[in-house]
Order: sequence, then structure tokens, then C-alpha cells
Amino acid sequence: EIVMTQSPATLSVSPGERATLSCRASQSVNYFLAWYQQIPGQAPRLLIYGASTRATGIPARFSGSRSGTEFTLTISSLQSEDFAVYYCQQYSDWPYTFGQGTKVEI
Amino acid sequence: QAQLVQSGAEVKKPGASVKVSCKAFGYIFVGYFLHWVRQAPGQRLEWMGWVNPNTGSTNFVQKFQDRVTMTTDTSIDTAYLELSRLRSDDTAIYYCARDRETGIRGEVDVWGEGTTVTVSS
Repeated sequence: EIVMTQSPATLSVSPGERATLSCRASQSVNYFLAWYQQIPGQAPRLLIYGASTRATGIPARFSGSRSGTEFTLTISSLQSEDFAVYYCQQYSDWPYTFGQGTKVEI
Repeated sequence: QAQLVQSGAEVKKPGASVKVSCKAFGYIFVGYFLHWVRQAPGQRLEWMGWVNPNTGSTNFVQKFQDRVTMTTDTSIDTAYLELSRLRSDDTAIYYCARDRETGIRGEVDVWGEGTTVTVSS
């Protein structure tokens, strides 16, 4: 099973600032990496798939990138509605697996 | 607009079974794989498996193999997850989620609201 490790566990930022979230895969997942946002009490929402493609309706301030087995989600200018938990997920190999999440807080 | 609506919260005793439903609206039900994902309190999201509503084929994560059943009823655009021999560590929110494109991809872009299953004696 591929293990996904996210860092940091918690990221404290102010509105308008840039946030950078990291995700590392224990082995190659190629570009089969997605990012989700989860607001407490809600289901996850797909933000990014294919490591860098924004899902339908996702604002341009969200971007994803890949370097080998390291993946990054960048939120260029945090809005109040962006404070949430973010998960990465690989779908290269079965079973699909998630990281443990990064909480973005004020 | 595509939407998944799940059944309500359940409370079960250890050893019992639970069946969660997931009804699809706004898209062609048989055209997209459906996945089941759960989230135990304070834990990361955990994939359980998928079902192809068109053929009924399934694939489960090994840890659930002998306890899980995933079915669909295409006449009412509804998928079901049944988990048997419940334990306290099955207490979680269970989500159904639809694949983003036709075929199996693993990018899920439509989620149900979640069904809370509590296992307690």
C-alpha cells in the first residue's frame, strides 16, 4: 500500500497570505494525485486532479504541482472560506490512499 | 447538477450489520463508478471500494473483503453499502462518491453528504 505523508499537520496563516501544503508518496504515483478540501461537518471537495488540473469551479488561487514523489498545493491568497483541512490522495495503485491531512487555520 | 443523497444516521450494536444507501440525481447513474470512503473520528479518509453500476462489478480494499457488500439498483439509481460483523472501530462517517469521468479513475468529484454509523453496545 502506498503511504501518503502530508506536512505540516497544521498551518497557521492570515487572510491574504500564501499557503503551501506538501504531500509525499512512499513510491511513485506518477501524476495520479488529487487534492481535496474538507470543511468541518461537510464532505470533501475535489480541488485538483492529475497533480495540477483544477476541478470544475475551483478558483485560480488554488494550484498544484509535482516533483517526483513530492506534491504541492498552493493557495496564492487565502480567503476566509479556505480555512479547512486539505487531503492529498493517490489513485495510481489500489488501494487508493489519503494523506493524514493538513489543517489550515488562522 | 449531479448529486448523491445518502440515508440517515444509524446506531448499531457490535456484531450487527448496517446497510447505507446512496441515491443519484442529475446524471446517468450507470455511466460512472461509485466509490465508498469512510472517515473515523479524528482519522484520515479511508477508501473501502468501488462498484460499477453498469455491470455490478466491485473491488474492495482487502481489510474489508469478508465483511463488505456493494450493490446497486439501477431501476432507482441507488447504490448500497452493507458492512457486517460491526465492531466499535467501524464507527465512522461513510461517504459515497462518484468518479469524475466514465470508467475507473479514482478522482471523485461528487460526494454524498455522509452517513454516520455508530457502533456501540
